[in-house]
Amino acid sequence: GDSVTQMEGPVTLSEEAFLTINCTYTATGYPSLFWYVQYPGEGLQLLLKATKADDKGSNKGFEATYRKETTSFHLEKGSVQVSDSAVYFCALSDKGGGSYIPTFGRGTSLIVHP
Amino acid sequence: EAQVTQNPRYLITVTGKKLTVTCSQNMNHEYMSWYRQDPGLGLRQIYYSMNVEVTDKGDVPEGYKVSRKEKRNFPLILESPSPNQTSLYFCASSFSRGSADTQYFGPGTRLTVL
Repeated sequence: GDSVTQMEGPVTLSEEAFLTINCTYTATGYPSLFWYVQYPGEGLQLLLKATKADDKGSNKGFEATYRKETTSFHLEKGSVQVSDSAVYFCALSDKGGGSYIPTFGRGTSLIVHP
Repeated sequence: EAQVTQNPRYLITVTGKKLTVTCSQNMNHEYMSWYRQDPGLGLRQIYYSMNVEVTDKGDVPEGYKVSRKEKRNFPLILESPSPNQTSLYFCASSFSRGSADTQYFGPGTRLTVL
C-alpha cells in the first residue's frame, strides 16, 4: 500500500538557518503530494502541494519539488523564523488506488530558537 | 468565514459512556473525514464520506461510528468508549474526492477516556 516516510524530529534550528525536512513516498498510482503544517493547539492547514512530477509547490518561503525519480518531496526554507515552529506533515493522495484514503507521514516537529 | 468546526474541543469521559463529537463545514464540500492523531503515529483516518448517506471505513474504524445525513455535518460517535480511544481527533473536509484536493481541518477535539 501507499506510505509516506519523513525524517524524525524534533529538528532544532536557530533563527535564519536553512531548513530541510526529508519526505519520501511509495505509491501505486500517480499521487499528488502535500505538506501540511500544524501550529500549537490548532488543526492542520495546507502549506503547499504539487500534483505532478517536477512541479514545485511554494508558500510563505517554503518550497518542495515533486521528484518522481527519487520518490521524494523534501521541504525547504532558506531562512526560518521563530514563528515557523510547528509540526510539519508530508502527505500523499493517490489517484490510482481503489479507495481514496489520504496517507500522512508521522510528522516532524520544528523548533526555531531566537 | 470558510471553516470546519468541531465540538467539543475538550472532553473527559469514562469507559462505556456513549459520546458524540460533532463536525460541521460551511464550504459545501462533498468529502468529509475523521482522523485521530497519536504521538509517533501521525494521522490515521477513521472514517470518510464522499457524500450524503455515503460513508466508508478508513484505516482504524473499530470502535467508531459515523453518519452523514446532511452535507455539512459529519458526527463521530463512540458508543462505548475505551481508554485506547484517548486521542486527538480531527475532522476534515474537501471539495471532492479528487486526489489534488486540499483538505481543510477543524481545530481538533482532545478526548480522554478514563
